[in-house]
Amino acid sequence: AQSVAQPEDQVNVAEGNPLTVKCTYSVSGNPYLFWYVQYPNRGLQFLLKYITGDNLVKGSYGFEAEFNKSQTSFHLKKPSALVSDSALYFCAVTTNAGKSTFGDGTTLTVKP
Amino acid sequence: DTAVSQTPKYLVTQMGNDKSIKCEQNLGHDTMYWYKQDSKKFLKIMFSYNNKELIINETVPNRFSPKSPDKAHLNLHINSLELGDSAVYFCASSLTGGQPQHFGDGTRLSIL
Repeated sequence: AQSVAQPEDQVNVAEGNPLTVKCTYSVSGNPYLFWYVQYPNRGLQFLLKYITGDNLVKGSYGFEAEFNKSQTSFHLKKPSALVSDSALYFCAVTTNAGKSTFGDGTTLTVKP
Repeated sequence: DTAVSQTPKYLVTQMGNDKSIKCEQNLGHDTMYWYKQDSKKFLKIMFSYNNKELIINETVPNRFSPKSPDKAHLNLHINSLELGDSAVYFCASSLTGGQPQHFGDGTRLSIL
């Protein structure tokens, strides 16, 4: 069975500072790993996907994610946070068949 | 032009009623999904269809019945609604099972 853990319910950072949202996973075989963002009253939006062989994946809106196979982690990062980045972030692992397991979500708050 | 559209956006009804939610995608994707997001924002997959064929059916009460008339549409019918069915239901689609998913903006179901 596959699983995803997002250990922090909430992450608070000041605008302009770097941010990290943590994710660890458990899956058989090679993982399809994703990050999504959800703004209030909207559906999830795709941010980035792990591609086999790339330990640092670049995505939308200046986000990137660092894949670490030995730690089974896929942390989301951004060098300089914006107030508009404040939202709910989900890490997900997906099988070839499309079965997706999502983490419980992390609320990111960026303060001016 | 909306990629994944769900109707209705809001659904308020009484316990015991039967209701349907419709979903359409204009992305030409082969795979479609239904998710349930509860009041704590936890997201759980319910069903997945690939080219009109059911491929994932999670532990969902059989009061919930998906139907895919063609690969661009995936509807969700719910019989005998219960209080615990109150949630936001999201439809999503992806090119194939392991690809990024595009989400609709959700249907907020409230059971009185």
